[in-house]
Amino acid sequence: QLQLQESGPGLVKPSETLSLTCTVSGGSITSSYYWGWIRQPPGKGLEWIGNTNDSGSTYYNPSLKSRVTISVDTSKKHFSLRLSSVTAADTAVYYCARRRGGTSDLDYWGQGTLVTVSS
Amino acid sequence: QSALTQPASVSGSPGQSITISCTGTSNDVGGYNYVSWYQQYPGKAPKVIIYDVSNRPSGVSYRFSGSKSGNTASLTISGLQAEDEADYYCISYTTISTWVFGGGTKLTVL
Repeated sequence: QLQLQESGPGLVKPSETLSLTCTVSGGSITSSYYWGWIRQPPGKGLEWIGNTNDSGSTYYNPSLKSRVTISVDTSKKHFSLRLSSVTAADTAVYYCARRRGGTSDLDYWGQGTLVTVSS
Repeated sequence: QSALTQPASVSGSPGQSITISCTGTSNDVGGYNYVSWYQQYPGKAPKVIIYDVSNRPSGVSYRFSGSKSGNTASLTISGLQAEDEADYYCISYTTISTWVFGGGTKLTVL
C-alpha cells in the first residue's frame, strides 16, 4: 500500500523559506505519476501549489510561481517543496499527493502537516 | 487563475439526493474532461470520489456520480446518509497546464 508522509518545520519566520519533504513508501516514485503539493489555510479551502514528475516536468500555480520550487529525488524516494519569502498568509496545512498521469485522479495523499508562519 | 465556483453550502435529508455544482470557464472545466471531486472530513486529508468527470474509484459508493455540461461539472449524491456530511471540492485541469480547485461546499445532512 502506497503511503506519503510530509515532514519539515512546523514554524517558519516571516521572510524565510518554507521547506517540506514528502517521503514515498510502498511504491515507485518513477513511472507515469505526478507528485504535487496542495495547501489549506485554517478554516479555508484547498489550493493547488504545483506538481512535478520524475522527468523534471514541473508546473506551478501562477500566483505562487515566483516563490515556489518543487523537485523530486528518485534515489531517495521523496519530493520536496520550497516556498520563499513567506508571510502569515502562507500559514496552512500542506499536503503532498500523487496524481495518476493522464487523469485528474489524486489517488494518494499524505496526512498533511501544519506550517505556521510567525516570528 | 480564478478558483472554480461552488456553492458554499448544501443540505439534504437522509435518503434524498443532492447535487453540487462546480462552474469554471472554457479554459478549465469546459475545455477538458479532467475534473475530479474530493470528500474531506474535518482534520483529515481529502479523498477522491470521482475523477475524469464521471469515473468512480474502486471502493467508492455507487451513490456518488459525476457529470459535466459546458463549463459546469456536477457531483450528485443519492440516498444521502449521515456519513456523507463533509466538505466537497472539485478540481480541474487548465489550459496553462495547471490545476485549479473550487472553493469547496459544506454538505449538511439534516
